Amino acid sequence: NAGVTQTPKFRVLKTGQSMTLLCAQDMNHEYMYWYRQDPGMGLRLIHYSVGEGTTAKGEVPDGYNVSRLKKQNFLLGLESAAPSQTSVYFCASSSPVLGAGETQYFGPGTRLLVL
Amino acid sequence: RKEVEQDPGPFNVPEGATVAFNCTYSNSASQSFFWYRQDCRKEPKLLMSVYSSGNEDGRFTAQLNRASQYISLLIRDSKLSDSATYLCVVNQGYGQNFVFGPGTRLSVLP
Repeated sequence: NAGVTQTPKFRVLKTGQSMTLLCAQDMNHEYMYWYRQDPGMGLRLIHYSVGEGTTAKGEVPDGYNVSRLKKQNFLLGLESAAPSQTSVYFCASSSPVLGAGETQYFGPGTRLLVL
Repeated sequence: RKEVEQDPGPFNVPEGATVAFNCTYSNSASQSFFWYRQDCRKEPKLLMSVYSSGNEDGRFTAQLNRASQYISLLIRDSKLSDSATYLCVVNQGYGQNFVFGPGTRLSVLP
């Protein structure tokens, strides 16, 4: 049981290049999320998904696209990377628990540097 | 006003000290509350959920005051291994909209 995994762990891009970050979870969770974390700002939600085939925008969606073709995978795409997208990206998953708050489980993060 | 605010920190305390973290949230419709811990260059991990009646887990005690929209975390007898950033997290509904505070960094000194 690996939990939540992310690939790659680290990447350097040039401005204008594209890339896809992959998140996979083996806990059969319905919900998956992509966050970015920048110094002094905490985690900010980029996009999320409440089930296979569905996605929705979070707080900071501009410049990113996502897809959830399989329940266990959630992909984050950058079509044309910008230096402002230099950040640490975390994927998370959760499952609703009636009568209790959900717990999010995070992947180890992807460090992205855009030059 | 930010949706979730925390003590700015950092907190530098000696081993064995008691330290308290405070968190306020702006959305009165918030339904569930958590404290997460994040070690340097690692992912956040759940420390504890926060219930209306308050809850305790060993040296850690969490309290929720819905009327004041305030959450607290108390760490007693702090250990070197407690050094981390503590994140206050508020959820306004199932499956979406976890809002994270900026975190408060704790350094426990020998």
